[in-house]
Amino acid sequence: DAMVIQNPRYQVTQFGKPVTLSCSQTLNHNVMYWYQQKSSQAPKLLFHYYDKDFNNEADTPDNFQSRRPNTSFCFLDIRSPGLGDAAMYLCATSYRGGAGGNTQYFGPGTRLTVL
Amino acid sequence: GNSVTQMEGPVTLSEEAFLTINCTYTATGYPSLFWYVQYPGEGLQLLLKATKADDKGSNKGFEATYRKETTSFHLEKGSVQVSDSAVYFCALSEKNNDMRFGAGTRLTVKP
Repeated sequence: DAMVIQNPRYQVTQFGKPVTLSCSQTLNHNVMYWYQQKSSQAPKLLFHYYDKDFNNEADTPDNFQSRRPNTSFCFLDIRSPGLGDAAMYLCATSYRGGAGGNTQYFGPGTRLTVL
Repeated sequence: GNSVTQMEGPVTLSEEAFLTINCTYTATGYPSLFWYVQYPGEGLQLLLKATKADDKGSNKGFEATYRKETTSFHLEKGSVQVSDSAVYFCALSEKNNDMRFGAGTRLTVKP
């Protein structure tokens, strides 16, 4: 089945220690998104890639970076995690250019704990 | 700008009760509308969607109709089950634009 995969599902890191979260997709979608979600609040968009074009949200801290080496993979790098960065991180994909709005398909999420 | 307002929770129902979760939207164009469901510890799953006015999305007994005249997309289910306990998000997207989510409504169904 075509899907969005996130690894790991649970990640524990120490305050200030860089961490990388991974997302891969088999849907061949041209857009990949990273969201941060706290306590079942609405997901907050951090940034997205449309093909190789990176689009950062204005209020995303510089501490968060992303890489998309190819169509299938996208990474979220947190350079110096703070306690406030503990959250669920959701990856999503969509196909831009088709009919209708962009249906986004989400991965299962990575729960990040910062000690 | 585009926005979504959904009914605040939490909502607690008994099994087999009727469910309505209200959702209204503001959009400059002609958005597609979505309902996503999130079970504890999981990502968001697409529950249903509608891409134009008067379309009805349906899945797993849930339904929602795109009402342009009232700018609404209310989620309904005739008989809820304990397994429907989750957080439900209403969302909209216009072509090539990002998704706008409502705040989410937590549903708890008791046996």
